[in-house]
Parts: sequence; structure tokens; C-alpha cells
Amino acid sequence: GAGVSQSPSNKVTEKGKDVELRCDPISGHTALYWYRQSLGQGLEFLIYFQGNSAPDKSGLPSDRFSAERTGGSVSTLTIQRTQQEDSAVYLCASSELRRISYNEQFFGPGTRLTVL
Amino acid sequence: GENVEQHPSTLSVQEGDSAVIKCTYSDSASNYFPWYKQELGKRPQLIIDIRSNVGEKKDQRIAVTLNKTAKHFSLHITETQPEDSAVYFCAASSRRALTFGSGTRLQVQP
Repeated sequence: GAGVSQSPSNKVTEKGKDVELRCDPISGHTALYWYRQSLGQGLEFLIYFQGNSAPDKSGLPSDRFSAERTGGSVSTLTIQRTQQEDSAVYLCASSELRRISYNEQFFGPGTRLTVL
Repeated sequence: GENVEQHPSTLSVQEGDSAVIKCTYSDSASNYFPWYKQELGKRPQLIIDIRSNVGEKKDQRIAVTLNKTAKHFSLHITETQPEDSAVYFCAASSRRALTFGSGTRLQVQP
């Protein structure tokens, strides 16, 4: 079946502009996650959506970052007034929480964001 | 919150040798420990995972061990092959998003 998809695959923007990154999770997956991976670094948690619960925003680095998930499916990560340090690959993942402790996540291909 | 430390940051082995990557975690509530492999320019892919109710799990050349008391877990790759070359990430989770280690770049020399 279809995996997690993200768009665009690459985004180049100028400092100060706003960008929107999209994630389409695997159908039926109730949990959706956003991570950021800077060049040669590990994955940094940004935000987590689970069903209709309030999202866990504890990883968002500043108030320029926000995300929403409409209808429990597609999610959009928005970065306002982009800065050069926002340049990174933004990865989305989804999971099916059939049990409280089970949390296998499937990753999308990522969006490579470059802020000039 | 959870903190995961991973060692070594780089590892070079000869083809056919074994490779071991170690991770420690801080949150005793964590109960799920996956390992991801990320090839250059690709998305992370789950290679093996373990839950806190078991101490070891094997899948062909890959095995993972978990010591809950010491809060550490390890990835073991035997009979390494050049295609095992990649960055490997450990992670720990309770009920929310994964907390990842900083990654280990494994290079298998032919």
C-alpha cells in the first residue's frame, strides 16, 4: 500500500518568507509526527498529533513554527519568517497505535528546506 | 523528558566482522526501543525493535539486547556486508514521539 508522502520534496526560500510543508500519512494511522534533521545530525522531535487529542507541541523550537492536522489525516507544518538556521530536512512519520505501548513509526521521504 | 545517548558516532569494520552500537536512555517509563537505518539521502527505515517485556530479539544477522535495570540497549550486526554501511539511529519511546540518539555512521570496508 501507499506509504507516507510529503510535499514538496525540495523547497528553496528566501529568509523572512513563510513556508508550508505537507504530510499525507498512511491511511488509518491515527498518530502523526514531525521531525527535523539538520545535515549530518540526528532527528529532532517537533510535534505529535494523536487522534482528536491536543497535539504535543513540546518540540517546536520557536513560535514561528506551527502545525495543524485537518480531519485527522493530512498535516501541514508552517514556518513563518524563515531563518537560515531553519534549513534542514523535515520528516513526517505516522503510526497505528493499536496498543498503548506500540509505536512503530513509518517515515516519509522528507522535505529538504533551504533558506537563503 | 527522555534523553537518549548513542555511541560510537562512527564505526568502521571489515566485511565479515561484527558491529555493536550502544544506547542509553533516561526515562524508566520508556517501553519501546526501535532501531532505524538511514542510507544517504533516504528516509529512516525500521530494521528491528524491542519492547521492554523482552531482553533480546534476533532477526537474521541483526540482534538487539535490552537491559532495563541499567537503561541501555544495543544493536549487534554479525557478518557485516558493504550494504550495511549507513547511519543507524536508536530511539526510545513511551506513549509519545520517539526520542532519537545522535546516530552512528557505520562503514563496512570490503
